[in-house]
Amino acid sequence: GENVEQHPSTLSVQEGDSAVIKCTYSDSASNYFPWYKQELGKRPQLIIDIRSNVGEKKDQRIAVTLNKTAKHFSLHITETQPEDSAVYFCAASILTGGFKTIFGAGTRLFVKA
Amino acid sequence: GAVVSQHPSWVICKSGTSVKIECRSLDFQATTMFWYRQFPKQSLMLMATSNEGSKATYEQGVEKDKFLINHASLTLSTLTVTSAHPEDSSFYICSARREERYNSPLHFGNGTRLTVT
Repeated sequence: GENVEQHPSTLSVQEGDSAVIKCTYSDSASNYFPWYKQELGKRPQLIIDIRSNVGEKKDQRIAVTLNKTAKHFSLHITETQPEDSAVYFCAASILTGGFKTIFGAGTRLFVKA
Repeated sequence: GAVVSQHPSWVICKSGTSVKIECRSLDFQATTMFWYRQFPKQSLMLMATSNEGSKATYEQGVEKDKFLINHASLTLSTLTVTSAHPEDSSFYICSARREERYNSPLHFGNGTRLTVT
């Protein structure tokens, strides 16, 4: 089945700096890659997603890149703010097997003011 | 946007009892819903796929007789933790897609924090 690996597990940056989180997936049949932000005790919220026919997508301070050949994708947050502090999960969604979405282990991002 | 409601938000039960968690899609119909479990500071682990009108599909290592799933309507799926034990204490969270496509985002419920004493 699909396996998603995510690095780093913890990331601490200074306010205003950029943060990069990287993920790899194992199943080449995966074609949809969402990113979720989860604050303590709350539900995960979708922040950006990318589909396999696109190499890069940007939404204001957030961007995601996808390299299907290498089977890895990354989240880039620029001009980080303290409110960006949260746990971020990458995920891969596979067409077969009931449209399952498998999550990475998560990255705890700390943005220091 | 799509709204998924989950109830209860937290529950404390004694070891050996059963607990039912409800997941509702409020403004869309979902033939498929997904149940995840999240231990503290860990990832979201898919437990099972709930299929309306048919049996749920369980992930490897998840006991189907312990985690009973019923998806009786297009807007409601329930997860029953039977004979709960302290090791079942966790954050259970359901999700569904507004559109039945693999490349449509999951919308999550608020989650249920289960504590078994």
